[in-house]
Amino acid sequence: KAGVTQTPRYLIKTRGQQVTLSCSPISGHRSVSWYQQTPGQGLQFLFEYFSETQRNKGNFPGRFSGRQFSNSRSEMNVSTLELGDSALYLCASSSFRYIDNEQFFGPGTRLTVL
Amino acid sequence: AQTVTQSQPEMSVQEAETVTLSCTYDTSESDYYLFWYKQPPSRQMILVIRQEAYKQQNATENRFSVNFQKAAKSFSLKISDSQLGDAAMYFCAYRRRTQGGSEKLVFGKGMKLTVNP
Repeated sequence: KAGVTQTPRYLIKTRGQQVTLSCSPISGHRSVSWYQQTPGQGLQFLFEYFSETQRNKGNFPGRFSGRQFSNSRSEMNVSTLELGDSALYLCASSSFRYIDNEQFFGPGTRLTVL
Repeated sequence: AQTVTQSQPEMSVQEAETVTLSCTYDTSESDYYLFWYKQPPSRQMILVIRQEAYKQQNATENRFSVNFQKAAKSFSLKISDSQLGDAAMYFCAYRRRTQGGSEKLVFGKGMKLTVNP
């Protein structure tokens, strides 16, 4: 079974631009969560989608948004990029078939904002 | 709000020896999970071991075991017979346990483990 995939793996943008990152969960998984990883702040939860609905949201500004499609693939968008948005963005999928579900992480997208 | 603290940013261990990584957490919940995740350099994060708070028995997975002290809110990871492949960032994480609900992972800042040959 293929793991969680994220595209692109690396991205360079300039301040003020916007960016869209993509995450394809493990087949059959309906939940996708996004995390931002930076050296200073560590791993912080962005949001989680389940069956195309945002179920949980972290403490990030409105410039960060996401969505999930009917095939469970998810995208996150960051508008008006700032230097501080440079980070590794991780997505994780889980089945939610059982209460004791595990989150499986993708390799991440490394975003650099210049 | 729940918090997870890893007070040691870096540790090193000799190959074949044992090392213990410490983690403390704060929560008012009684039903939750605790995790240790491993993130090797430039590779994706994988789950090392998981502990359910309602279980008194400490979890073990081959060379990895935990010491879960619920009253003290402490959750340490012991790696026995350390191998070069154990070198990685290790993250302690917490998640509430809810029936079919979505709960985010709350991570500690991580600890870099170096394994010396």
